Amino acid sequence: AQTVTQSQPEMSVQEAETVTLSCTYDTSENNYYLFWYKQPPSRQMILVIRQEAYKQQNATENRFSVNFQKAAKSFSLKISDSQLGDTAMYFCAFMNRNAGNMLTFGGGTRLMVKP
Amino acid sequence: NAGVTQTPKFQVLKTGQSMTLQCAQDMNHEYMSWYRQDPGMGLRLIHYSVGAGITDQGEVPNGYNVSRSTTEDFPLRLLSAAPSQTSVYFCASSYGSVTGVTGELFFGEGSRLTVL
Repeated sequence: AQTVTQSQPEMSVQEAETVTLSCTYDTSENNYYLFWYKQPPSRQMILVIRQEAYKQQNATENRFSVNFQKAAKSFSLKISDSQLGDTAMYFCAFMNRNAGNMLTFGGGTRLMVKP
Repeated sequence: NAGVTQTPKFQVLKTGQSMTLQCAQDMNHEYMSWYRQDPGMGLRLIHYSVGAGITDQGEVPNGYNVSRSTTEDFPLRLLSAAPSQTSVYFCASSYGSVTGVTGELFFGEGSRLTVL
């Protein structure tokens, strides 16, 4: 079984600054995906970024990037030039590609972007 | 394109009552699933289906039933609601299973259920 841990229940950042959210996971699998999902107050789950385990290059989507350290089983999310609209819960999630499309989620980090 | 549609969005039940949360997707996805979200615990998988007629249990299946008679629909049934089932429920779908294109799940907007 996989476990995903987010050690920062809450974080805050000033608008336009950079913030990094931490995630660690435990698995014996080699073929998997890692995701960051954003959940704003509207409750909608929005995919922020995706990383395939066999790719060494860190994924990037505009202001969002990850630091994927496979050996350390670490998957942090960096948000650059933070915007007020980035205020949300952020969830790290793991998917074992050999076991179907089931996600295992971390407990979430509540991010507040301050003006 | 509606994506994943859940109904109702809010529901209050009394202990012992039954109800069905509806989920429909119009993307011809093979894979559908139900999660519950409780404070501080992220989302946990209740049941999932890899195609019409095929369902299986996730991490927290007790107290819930599912069926998959069509590709589009995947209802979640609470047979006898308990206060411990107070939660926010999400339906999610994706292409394929192991052979999914991206592994990305598409989520509905969630249904908030309160059991008194």
